[in-house]
Amino acid sequence: QVQLVESGGGVVQPGTSLRLSCAASGFTFRTYSIHWVRQAPGKGLEWVAVISYDGGSKYYADSVKGRFTISRDNSKKTLYLQMNSLRAEDTAVYYCAREERSSSIYYFDYWGLGTLVTVSS
Amino acid sequence: DIQMTQSPSSLSASVGDRVTITCRASRSVRNYLNWYQQKPGKAPKLLIYAASSLQSGVPSRFSGSGSGTDFTLTISSLQPEDFATYYCQQSYSTPLFTFGPGTKVDIK
Repeated sequence: QVQLVESGGGVVQPGTSLRLSCAASGFTFRTYSIHWVRQAPGKGLEWVAVISYDGGSKYYADSVKGRFTISRDNSKKTLYLQMNSLRAEDTAVYYCAREERSSSIYYFDYWGLGTLVTVSS
Repeated sequence: DIQMTQSPSSLSASVGDRVTITCRASRSVRNYLNWYQQKPGKAPKLLIYAASSLQSGVPSRFSGSGSGTDFTLTISSLQPEDFATYYCQQSYSTPLFTFGPGTKVDIK
């Protein structure tokens, strides 16, 4: 079955870096675009970034542009999110989600369980 | 950017009630509108895509409607397992997907 498993979260100080991973299984990873979505404690969902199936296209939310980098290794079936210059407002659970498409309409059909990132001094 | 709003932000309902949640986009998203359910401590789950298409495995008491800027999610007969927060999401301005702020459904 389709599985997405995030890892790499933790407690870090403001201004430091962290890399999240999302390990995929149960589907042909190299044919899907994958997204990162985050959720601050007690808040709603915020789209963060997306990478195309081949890694050739990447897009970011304005809130993380220039600080976060999304990447993937299709040979390892793994997605990454390199987070630099972390701020307190980056504190959130980070989810990876698979993008599916039906007649040109896109949606997230599978999500990981999430990994918590806490930015605090 | 397309902004999404939802109403109400929260509601209290009883088992068996018919529940309707509204989502509005700041400009037309045609039918590029999805609905997710999230329970505390869990990942979101896709319920409806393309405004009205029921995701496989989702109970038929969930339905979606609308197009353009105004959409609704309806639960025809609320069940105990439906108490959760519901989010709409536009996928018209791909790849910049935007979520609504959420509607929390709790027990009256």
